[in-house]
Amino acid sequence: DTEVTQTPKHLVMGMTNKKSLKCEQHMGHRAMYWYKQKAKKPPELMFVYSYEKLSINESVPSRFSPECPNSSLLNLHLHALQPEDSALYLCASSQDGMNTEAFFGQGTRLTVV
Amino acid sequence: GEDVEQSLFLSVREGDSSVINCTYTDSSSTYLYWYKQEPGAGLQLLTYIFSNMDMKQDQRLTVLLNKKDKHLSLRIADTQTGDSAIYFCAERGNTGFQKLVFGTGTRLLVSP
Repeated sequence: DTEVTQTPKHLVMGMTNKKSLKCEQHMGHRAMYWYKQKAKKPPELMFVYSYEKLSINESVPSRFSPECPNSSLLNLHLHALQPEDSALYLCASSQDGMNTEAFFGQGTRLTVV
Repeated sequence: GEDVEQSLFLSVREGDSSVINCTYTDSSSTYLYWYKQEPGAGLQLLTYIFSNMDMKQDQRLTVLLNKKDKHLSLRIADTQTGDSAIYFCAERGNTGFQKLVFGTGTRLLVSP
């Protein structure tokens, strides 16, 4: 099973809302990632968790708050977003930080209105 | 900084070979990847190559790496309509983790 599952698939939220994106994998991977992909652009790294600890934050605004409650789950909490934050949010996992392969989920398409 | 460039668009006929090119600037890249993205979907890892290799073949896919010129290519043999998608190359530096820097993406259109 090389599946990374993201929920919800689509999300529309207002600028004053609080919502969360969820990501789950059962491959025993210990590194998990959030990437952001704006329309017609390549994905860009936001956060990396390794062994449930935040290892990399690519200077992401604090309105995005990641959380890794256990080794299988990764959340992205959203609060007070702006319309320009509308994008496809992709979760990925790899066996560990040095492993060669990362597996991506199908993404959550977020629209901020 | 790291810049990974790809041509925007490639159109081929079914049964032909497709060659998608990528140039990168980070000479410390350890692994280079090819991902496929269909409309509205996530990224599917197709193949990857370690930086000390110059070629890798995997069924219909052939990856060529010219490290001197920092040039990577993906050849798809016997291209099918189901291969129509956006193809991203990506480089991974030597900082560890799958901190991938993606190319600009090439849209491949395969016509019958």
